[in-house]
Amino acid sequence: DAGVIQSPRHEVTEMGQEVTLRCKPISGHDYLFWYRQTMMRGLELLIYFNNNVPIDDSGMPEDRFSAKMPNASFSTLKIQPSEPRDSAVYFCASSQRIHQDTQYFGPGTRLTVL
Amino acid sequence: QKEVEQDPGPLSVPEGAIVSLNCTYSNSAFQYFMWYRQYSRKGPELLMYTYSSGNKEDGRFTAQVDKSSKYISLFIRDSQPSDSATYLCAMSEAAGNKLTFGGGTRVLVKP
Repeated sequence: DAGVIQSPRHEVTEMGQEVTLRCKPISGHDYLFWYRQTMMRGLELLIYFNNNVPIDDSGMPEDRFSAKMPNASFSTLKIQPSEPRDSAVYFCASSQRIHQDTQYFGPGTRLTVL
Repeated sequence: QKEVEQDPGPLSVPEGAIVSLNCTYSNSAFQYFMWYRQYSRKGPELLMYTYSSGNKEDGRFTAQVDKSSKYISLFIRDSQPSDSATYLCAMSEAAGNKLTFGGGTRVLVKP
C-alpha cells in the first residue's frame, strides 16, 4: 500500500487567498483525521471523520476552516480566506475501524501564508 | 496548563547510551498511551502502544505507564544515530476516541 497520500507537499500563498489541501487515506481505513502542527502549539487535531461522516470538528479554529470527505478515498481541508497565522504543517492520518488509536500519518503539507 | 506535558529538549546523547523520555498528563480518564517517532519533515509514525498501566517491551524500546502518577516513559537502549528524531507521546480516553499529543521531545544521538 502507498500509505496516506497528501497534496500538495508545499504551498505558498498570499493572505486572503483560498487554500485547499488534499488527502487520500489508506484503502480500507474507516477513520480520517486532519491535524495541524506548529512549533508553538504542537500537533493539534482539527477534525476527524468516520465512514466519511464528520464526528468531531471541535478543533477547527475558525469558520475560515472547512473539511469534507465526499467518499472513502478522498478528503479536503479548505482555508478561506487564509491568514499568516495559518502557516503550519497540516497532516492527514487514517486508521482502521477496530484500531483507531493506530493512526497512519501522511507526509504533511507545509503551508506558508505570506 | 496543557493536558499533556512533554519536555521539548533537545536531548543529546552519545551512541549506545540509554535515552529516557517521559510525559505527564492531567486527565485521569486517559487509558491508551502511545509513542510516535517523527523524523524531520516527515509524518509521525507509531512506535509503541500500551493499554492502561504496566510495561511493554519491543526490541530496544520499552514503554512504561504509571497511571497513579499520571506519568509515562519511553526508554531506548543501545541508541543509534538513526534514532535521532522527535518523539511524541499521545493518549486517549478509550479506543475509538481522539488522541491528545504532547509537544514532542527532540532527540539527537551522536556517533
